[in-house]
Amino acid sequence: EIVLTQSPGTLSLSPGERATLSCRASQSISSAYLAWYQQKPGQAPRLLIYGASSRATGIPDRFSGSGSGTVFTLTITRLEPEDFAVYFCQHYGGLHVFTFGPGTKVDI
Amino acid sequence: QLQLQESGPGLVKPSETLSLTCTVSGDSINSDTYYWGWIRQPPGKGLEWIGTMYFFGKTFYNPSLKSRVTISVDTSRNQVSLRLSSVTAADTAVYYCARLNYGSAENWGRGTLVTVSS
Repeated sequence: EIVLTQSPGTLSLSPGERATLSCRASQSISSAYLAWYQQKPGQAPRLLIYGASSRATGIPDRFSGSGSGTVFTLTITRLEPEDFAVYFCQHYGGLHVFTFGPGTKVDI
Repeated sequence: QLQLQESGPGLVKPSETLSLTCTVSGDSINSDTYYWGWIRQPPGKGLEWIGTMYFFGKTFYNPSLKSRVTISVDTSRNQVSLRLSSVTAADTAVYYCARLNYGSAENWGRGTLVTVSS
């Protein structure tokens, strides 16, 4: 069973700053099946990145994903006010199981 | 434009069965490109995958819920349904349906809060 851990739990930044969020897998996983989501209060999650580094439709290019093996990163180059939210990583793996990380909150 | 709308009772008694429906518009649930899933989120907590229905009719469930979960489709109504039996307070959550592709949830419904309480 793959376990995803995210760090930090909370990231306190200001608009215009760079955010770097980490997602670590308990064992090596395929980057083809690593995704990132953004969730704002009272809203459903929104897909940002799939395949570790491909932006979903309509996602601004200030969001980028990278990584391989057990370490993956979501980077937001210049935080906009609307980017303050919770971010989840997610893996799709053996036996068609979806696993989510616990989330990182990006706040002001 | 794709829309997913969850519906069902907002309050379920302990030990009873939770039943939700996701009505899909803007795409056919018979699509051989996408598949359909349910994901839940307890208040103030993270996301938990419940299960997935594939276009070839096969379902896969979270092992921790497998004994209590059934996902099915009604192609005539373009709906995906979720049934979760023997519920407890731990099943209180916002339940989302989602359209899945390449191992990620591309599109989500707005979610519906289900509270388990007597």
